[in-house]
Amino acid sequence: KQEVTQIPAALSVPEGENLVLNCSFTDSAIYNLQWFRQDPGKGLTSLLLIQSSQREQTSGRLNASLDKSSGRSTLYIAASQPGDSATYLCAVNDRGALTFGSGTRLQVQP
Amino acid sequence: EAGVAQSPRYKIIEKRQSVAFWCNPISGHATLYWYQQILGQGPKLLIQFQNNGVVDDSQLPKDRFSAERLKGVDSTLKIQPAKLEDSAVYLCASSSGTSGYEQYFGPGTRLTVT
Repeated sequence: KQEVTQIPAALSVPEGENLVLNCSFTDSAIYNLQWFRQDPGKGLTSLLLIQSSQREQTSGRLNASLDKSSGRSTLYIAASQPGDSATYLCAVNDRGALTFGSGTRLQVQP
Repeated sequence: EAGVAQSPRYKIIEKRQSVAFWCNPISGHATLYWYQQILGQGPKLLIQFQNNGVVDDSQLPKDRFSAERLKGVDSTLKIQPAKLEDSAVYLCASSSGTSGYEQYFGPGTRLTVT
């Protein structure tokens, strides 16, 4: 059974810092991995999707990498802003449906 | 392109009552998912449909939860009777295929059972 772990559970940084969120998964036989953002009381916004054959994806200040063999992904956020404050969820697709981690709650201080 | 629509957005009921949630996926998306997200946790799959057939309902508590997808488009999720531990956000998602396709999520329905 696939298990997804996200570290750290919570993170507070001053504005402008570069930061890395970590995601690990137990079964490397995946189709793809998605990173989502969730604001309080809101649904999920897809940030990046990495197919199993890819090593990384970039969108603006966000960069996600995937090392399928070691079961790890990282989300890199450059020059963090207070508007980046949210919960970031990692999810792997290995059977059609997604298996999610519990998320990293990020607070960027102005 | 319109996104995934869900209603209602919020619902408060007493335990042992029944409740139903509705989802309209992105037009043309054959696959529809219902996830349950308990506060502080990541979403967990309840049921997956491909057109109007069930692909995976292994984590659906079938003694109280039921779901259907009429004509392969809209879907309803019902809970009867509700328990306190059913308090959660119910998220609907859709994708254009079954495996390896990007999933798009609706805004969710926040259920509070008192």
